[in-house]
Amino acid sequence: DVKVTQSSRYLVKRTGEKVFLECVQDMDHENMFWYRQDPGLGLRLIYFSYDVKMKEKGDIPEGYSVSREKKERFSLILESASTSQTSMYLCASSSQGADNQPQHFGDGTRLSIL
Amino acid sequence: KNQVEQSPQSLIILEGKNCTLQCNYTVSPFSNLRWYKQDTGRGPVSLTIMTFSENTKSNGRYTATLDADTKQSSLHITASQLSDSASYICVVSPRLTGAGKSTFGDGTTLTVKP
Repeated sequence: DVKVTQSSRYLVKRTGEKVFLECVQDMDHENMFWYRQDPGLGLRLIYFSYDVKMKEKGDIPEGYSVSREKKERFSLILESASTSQTSMYLCASSSQGADNQPQHFGDGTRLSIL
Repeated sequence: KNQVEQSPQSLIILEGKNCTLQCNYTVSPFSNLRWYKQDTGRGPVSLTIMTFSENTKSNGRYTATLDADTKQSSLHITASQLSDSASYICVVSPRLTGAGKSTFGDGTTLTVKP
């Protein structure tokens, strides 16, 4: 089974801190994604990566950056955390090729910014 | 703008009953439509994937249908169980635009009561 592991289930940080969220997948997937999930807004794409060192902005990239130095690891960085970034963050991965490949999700990191 | 609308927003049914969830989309040109199940506190898990040429796909007690002409999909759950209580998310991907361009619905929250 595909496993996508997010480093923390719950995280509490302070406004202005630099925050790192880590995600690792074990299926050699080319594509990796970061989403945030808020009540009433569904999942919104922050960034995705289709290869090592490659990244593309999603729908809401402002205030975030990403890093993909190795194929299995995709990091989301909040440069200067704000209370508006309190949310559930979900990482996902999928294989490349045909579009009908499912995304495999981690169990999420619930991030609170105080 | 690509949109995915799901209905109802929430649904309560008794254990053993059937139910149908709806998904309408405006994504065009269309590549594939996916249904995910998200248990509370967990990441979404893929249930079905249908390309534009498929009109039905089953996964155990879950059956998804697709009408690409009317841009509608439904997810039918047969003989519901308590473990079916979850959020069900419809995701639509456009053709030829890469992995990161999927549009997520807001989900339907299903509660199955004994």
